This record gives sequence, structure tokens and C-alpha cells, in this order.
Amino acid sequence: KAGVTQTPRYLIKTRGQQVTLSCSPISGHRSVSWYQQTPGQGLQFLFEYFSETQRNKGNFPGRFSGRQFSNSRSEMNVSTLELGDSALYLCASSYVSMTSGVVNEQFFGPGTRLTVL
Amino acid sequence: GNSVTQMEGPVTLSEEAFLTINCTYTATGYPSLFWYVQYPGEGLQLLLKATKADDKGSNKGFEATYRKETTSFHLEKGSVQVSDSAVYFCAPTRDDKIIFGKGTRLHILP
Repeated sequence: KAGVTQTPRYLIKTRGQQVTLSCSPISGHRSVSWYQQTPGQGLQFLFEYFSETQRNKGNFPGRFSGRQFSNSRSEMNVSTLELGDSALYLCASSYVSMTSGVVNEQFFGPGTRLTVL
Repeated sequence: GNSVTQMEGPVTLSEEAFLTINCTYTATGYPSLFWYVQYPGEGLQLLLKATKADDKGSNKGFEATYRKETTSFHLEKGSVQVSDSAVYFCAPTRDDKIIFGKGTRLHILP
């Protein structure tokens, strides 16, 4: 099985621009979560999508948004970029039981390294 | 609310030393407990897990036991190697919610 893929792997933007990151989950996984990782704040949860619906959300401003498509692929968008948005953005997919909704092990992609100048 | 506390890093040890990374959590009910590891330049990957009280997860020489009475899931390894240098994350998971600890950076010196 192919792993979780994220594109692009590296991105450089300037303040005020917007960016869209893409994540393709493992086949059969319907849950996709996004995380921001920085040296200062560590790993922070952004949001989780399950069956095209946002199911959980972290404490990030509305500039951070996402969506999930019917094939479970997910995109994350950040508008009006700030210097502090420079980070490694990780996507993780997980198999979720259809009956219980319980999340099992998460499988992470390699991340997208975003640098905001 | 649910939370997890991991020991602060970085932790620096010599090769073949004994390792313990502490993890305690607060959660409603009985979560499944996971340890993830992040090697330099990579995403996180599952190291081991335990899904009920007194279960022991193990992988690559690492072990952790689900201690319900102390709500802990400490990671241990009897003899670390340079290749174990990485960041380790404790992650209690309850239903559809996962909480990641801040991570503990481990440096192993040859």
C-alpha cells in the first residue's frame, strides 16, 4: 500500500499571500488530520476531516481552513500568511470504524515545509 | 479536559544506557495509548501501542505498559543505540480524539 503523500514538500511564500497544501491518504482511510509543527510550539492539531466533514478542530484562527473530497484527499488552505505560519505541516490518515467512529493508529506523511518571508 | 504530560527534553544518553521517557495523561474513560517517533527529516510513525489496562506494547526494543491506576504510559528501552536519536511523542487516543504530547527529543552519543 502506498503511504500518505503530501505535496508540495517545500514551499516559500511572502507575507499576505495564501497557500494550499495537499494530502493524499492511504487507500481506505477516511479520516485525515492536519498538524502544524514548530520548534517553539511543538506539534499542534489543526483539524480532522472524516467523510468530507470537519469532525474536530484545534485552536487556530479562521485563516486556516481545510476540506476533504469524496476520494478522501484533503487540502489545507492558509490565507493572509504571517511570518509565524512558517512551520512543517503534517498530514495523517487513519482508518475509522464505520460503526464506532473510533480513530486508530495515525499514518503520517513526510510533511510540507512552509517558509514565509 | 483531556491532556498529556511528557518529560521535558532534550534527553542525552550514551549508547547502551537505559532509557525512560515519562508520560502521564488525563482523559475521560479509558483511552488507547500510543507512542510515536519522529526521525530527523521525517513525519511521525507509530512506535508501539496499548489498548487496555496492563497491556504492554513493544517494538524495536522499546516497551511501555498501560498503567490505569497511575494514568501513565512510560516508554523504556534497556540499551539505546545512536539510531534511536529522534523525537518521541506520547498520544492518548479516546474515540475520535487524539492528544499529542509536546515531544521529547532524545540524543544518543556514541
